[in-house]
Amino acid sequence: DAMVIQNPRYQVTQFGKPVTLSCSQTLNHNVMYWYQQKSSQAPKLLFHYYDKDFNNEADTPDNFQSRRPNTSFCFLDIRSPGLGDAAMYLCATGRAGAYEQYFGPGTRLTVT
Amino acid sequence: AQRVTQPEKLLSVFKGAPVELKCNYSYSGSPELFWYVQYSRQRLQLLLRHISRESIKGFTADLNKGETSFHLKKPFAQEEDSAMYYCALFLGSSNTGKLIFGQGTTLQVKP
Repeated sequence: DAMVIQNPRYQVTQFGKPVTLSCSQTLNHNVMYWYQQKSSQAPKLLFHYYDKDFNNEADTPDNFQSRRPNTSFCFLDIRSPGLGDAAMYLCATGRAGAYEQYFGPGTRLTVT
Repeated sequence: AQRVTQPEKLLSVFKGAPVELKCNYSYSGSPELFWYVQYSRQRLQLLLRHISRESIKGFTADLNKGETSFHLKKPFAQEEDSAMYYCALFLGSSNTGKLIFGQGTTLQVKP
């Protein structure tokens, strides 16, 4: 089945220790998104790629970076995680010209 | 500012009762609105979009521009409808736009 895959599903990192979350897709979609969802809150867009073009949200902290080496993969790098970065991180994809987004299962990040 | 508001965090109904999950939006343009659903231990998925005017799993949602609302309705709730429901507004072009989500409403359907 074509889908959006996120690894790992659960990630524990230490305060200040860099961490990378991974997303891959078999849908061949142009657009890939990263959302942050804190407990009992709505998902909030961090940034997205349209093909290789990176679009950062104005209020996304500099601590968050992203890479998209090819169509299928997109990474979220947190350079120095703080306790406030503990959240569910959702990856989503979308086709150019369409509004629907397809979500992965999420990676739950814990910062100790 | 563009905003989506879901006033109820939790809606609890009995099986067979009608359901209405409220969603109001703030947007000056012509909105593209969606309902997404997340069942327990499953990923977030699209339930329906306003432009298609379709009924999915018995749910419908009508855009009311005068009231800036996009409420989700189902005449007879089923236990399998229990889930978290998010109303979302799409901003920007379909290539470079983004979804703005409401806070979500947990629907609990009791037997």
